[in-house]
Amino acid sequence: EIVMTQSPATLSVSPGERATLSCRASQSVSSNLAWYQQKPGQAPRLLIYGASTRATGIPARFSGSGSGTEFTLTISSLQSEDFAVYYCQQYNNGYTFGQGTKLEIK
Amino acid sequence: EVQLVQSGAEVKKPGESLKISCKGSGYSFTSYWIGWVRQMPGKGLEWMGIIYPGDSDTRYSPSFQGQVTISADKSISTAYLQWSSLKASDTAMYYCARLADSGYRSGLNYWGQGTLVTVSS
Repeated sequence: EIVMTQSPATLSVSPGERATLSCRASQSVSSNLAWYQQKPGQAPRLLIYGASTRATGIPARFSGSGSGTEFTLTISSLQSEDFAVYYCQQYNNGYTFGQGTKLEIK
Repeated sequence: EVQLVQSGAEVKKPGESLKISCKGSGYSFTSYWIGWVRQMPGKGLEWMGIIYPGDSDTRYSPSFQGQVTISADKSISTAYLQWSSLKASDTAMYYCARLADSGYRSGLNYWGQGTLVTVSS
């Protein structure tokens, strides 16, 4: 089973600043990677698929990059509504989620 | 509008059986894979398995193989997740979600509202 490792576990950033979240796969997943945002009490929301394609309705401040085993989610200028937990998920060989990164207000 | 509507919260005792549901609407139910995701209290997302309602092709995560059964009834556009003997450790929120594309490899872009399952004696 492919193991997805996210870092850091918690990221403290001030509104308006840039946030960079990382996700590493235990073996290559090509570009078959998605990012999700989850707020308390809500279902996850798809942000990025294919490693870098924004899902419908996702603001341009969210961007994804990477391929193979190393991936990054960047939020260019944090808004108050962006503070949440973010998960990566590979779908190259079965499906597995990372353990999540909590993005909190600094 | 694509919607996945899950059945309501459940409170069960250890050893009891349970079947929760996820009804799809607003799209061709038989053409998209539906997955199930577990979220234990205060924890992250865990992939359980996925089903293609068109032919009931089902794939399980190794962690959940033999622990749950995923099924679908395409005549009523509904997918199911069931347990034959619940444990306290099955206490969690369970989400169903649909793949974004009609193929097998894709992100999950439509989610149900979740079904909270509580197992306690």
